[in-house]
Amino acid sequence: AQSVTQLDSQVPVFEEAPVELRCNYSSSVSVYLFWYVQYPNQGLQLLLKYLSGSTLVKGINGFEAEFNKSQTSFHLRKPSVHISDTAEYFCAVRGLSGGYNKLIFGAGTRLAVHP
Amino acid sequence: DAGITQSPRHKVTETGTPVTLRCHQTENHRYMYWYRQDPGHGLRLIHYSYGVKDTDKGEVSDGYSVSRSKTEDFLLTLESATSSQTSVYFCAISPGTADYGYTFGSGTRLTVV
Repeated sequence: AQSVTQLDSQVPVFEEAPVELRCNYSSSVSVYLFWYVQYPNQGLQLLLKYLSGSTLVKGINGFEAEFNKSQTSFHLRKPSVHISDTAEYFCAVRGLSGGYNKLIFGAGTRLAVHP
Repeated sequence: DAGITQSPRHKVTETGTPVTLRCHQTENHRYMYWYRQDPGHGLRLIHYSYGVKDTDKGEVSDGYSVSRSKTEDFLLTLESATSSQTSVYFCAISPGTADYGYTFGSGTRLTVV
């Protein structure tokens, strides 16, 4: 079984500052990792995903995430945030074996960007 | 979202009444899912389907049933709505390959009064 822990429920940050949203996972098998973003009153959109290869993954809107297998982490970063980045961000994990595999989501991190 | 629509977008219903939410896809994806989203809980899986007439329970299935009579439609029914089922409901679809992730609908906001 897999599980995901998003270490911060809320992250306030000023515009143009860097941000890191933390995600840790646990799994007994190899995994794929995903970050989704949810803007107010909308569904979730895929931001980026790690499947294999380079541990640094680039996504849409200037976001990137780094897979760290030894730390079982997949933290999301952006060097300079904008007001429009205000949203809720979800980390998700999907195991690669063990029968039918579903995405397991973290509880979400609400990013609030202030002017 | 392109290829997946949920209806209705908003609904207010009374305690004890049955409610059906609809998810419709045009992507011909095999897998469909129903989630509920509540503050502090993130997304919790209610039911999912891995083919026509093939469904299974998720982690919070009590009080909910589903049906999938054709590939494109996945219905979620609250047999007798309760106030604890006030939530935002999301449908998602996936072709089933592990690297794909899910595509989500725009959600249905359900209020049970």
